[in-house]
Amino acid sequence: QLQLQESGPGLVKPSETLSLTCTVSGDSISSSSYYWGWIRQPPGKGLEWLGSLHSSGRNFYDPSLKSRLNISIDTSKNQFSLTMRSVTAADTAVYYCGRLIGGSLIHYWGQGTLVTVSS
Amino acid sequence: DIQMTQSPSSLSASVGDRVTFTCRASQGISNYVAWYQQRPGKVPKLLIYAASTLHSGVPSRFSGSGSGTDFTLTISSLQPEDVATYYCQKYLGAPFTFGPGTKVDIK
Repeated sequence: QLQLQESGPGLVKPSETLSLTCTVSGDSISSSSYYWGWIRQPPGKGLEWLGSLHSSGRNFYDPSLKSRLNISIDTSKNQFSLTMRSVTAADTAVYYCGRLIGGSLIHYWGQGTLVTVSS
Repeated sequence: DIQMTQSPSSLSASVGDRVTFTCRASQGISNYVAWYQQRPGKVPKLLIYAASTLHSGVPSRFSGSGSGTDFTLTISSLQPEDVATYYCQKYLGAPFTFGPGTKVDIK
């Protein structure tokens, strides 16, 4: 059974870097045909697709965030990560990791982790 | 970028009602639309992709239709467990934008 679990700091200071990790069990990132990615949801608001990455290196990013975002894979730990630089209060959200079909459709979701950007 | 809008923003209906809500793309996107359900306090779930294909395990009371710029999600007989916000998503080219959602509750 596929499971994804986000981990990382719940509080990040403005202008600093947000770093989250998603640990995958039940599938091998390195051999999977699927993409691995991140979606966020500001409190009380809608969903925002951030980006996704395949183990081959093929990736998709939201162009409006691309300059601040990086998604990477650690196949030895069966994990993938999100880093977002220069965060502001507008980046406060629940961050979900997911397994994606074709880089876009999220068919498995982690439980989500709230990240608050505040000094 | 292609923008996605949804209407209405919220609706209230009775158990057993047929409920339909819409998603509109600012440009034609063929049938590259998915629908997600997010129950209160829960993780979103994929319901429909390719505008009308039900994802595995989704009840048959859900159906989707549309192509081009206009898409609909229909619940043929609203059930209490269908109380949720429903989001459409376009996936013809990044960014794979979500619509703002339609919130459905029971009268």
